[in-house]
Amino acid sequence: QVQLLESGPGLVKPSETLSLTCSVSGGYIANANYFWGWVRQAPGKGLVWLGSIFYRGNTNYNPSLDSRLTITVDKSKNQFSLRLNSVTAADTAVYYCARLGGATVGGNWFESWGQGTLVTVSS
Amino acid sequence: DIQMTQSPSSLSASVGDRVTITCQANQDINKFLNWYHQRPGQAPKLLISDASNLRAGVPSRFSGRGSGTDFNLIISSLEPEDLGTYFCQQYETLPLTFGPGTTVDLK
Repeated sequence: QVQLLESGPGLVKPSETLSLTCSVSGGYIANANYFWGWVRQAPGKGLVWLGSIFYRGNTNYNPSLDSRLTITVDKSKNQFSLRLNSVTAADTAVYYCARLGGATVGGNWFESWGQGTLVTVSS
Repeated sequence: DIQMTQSPSSLSASVGDRVTITCQANQDINKFLNWYHQRPGQAPKLLISDASNLRAGVPSRFSGRGSGTDFNLIISSLEPEDLGTYFCQQYETLPLTFGPGTTVDLK
């Protein structure tokens, strides 16, 4: 049973960079059957897909992030990471990492999720 | 982006009730539609993929149907653990997009 766990600062100042890491256990990130992705949920709001990565480094991003987002993978550590530049209060949310199944580029469905981590953007 | 809508936005039901949630896409998404359940303070859980494929371990009281632009999630007999918010999500086209959610609580 794969498990995912997000880690990173819970508080980020406006205009700075939000960085999170997702550690994967119970399965290898270097698995051609899956993509790995990030979803966020602002307080009281719905779910927003941020982007996905394949273990070889191929990425797909949500255009709404205006090129502020970078997702990377570290196979040696069985981790993948998110960096979001120039954050504002609108980026305050619970950030989830997830494993995506399905054959389509970017992944089809979010079949395993981390517990989520709240990141607040505030000075 | 493909826009997803859900109705109702919230509903109250009793244990044992049949519950139907509707999800609509603003363009044809074939059967590329998934359903999730999220309890307060928890991560979402995948219930159904490809519009009607019940995922392993999900109770058989859950079912999904539809194709094209109109989809339904049906709970045949509501249980207390089914309370929470249900989201649909399309994967016909990137970006992956979710519906706004339907919150189910006890009457």
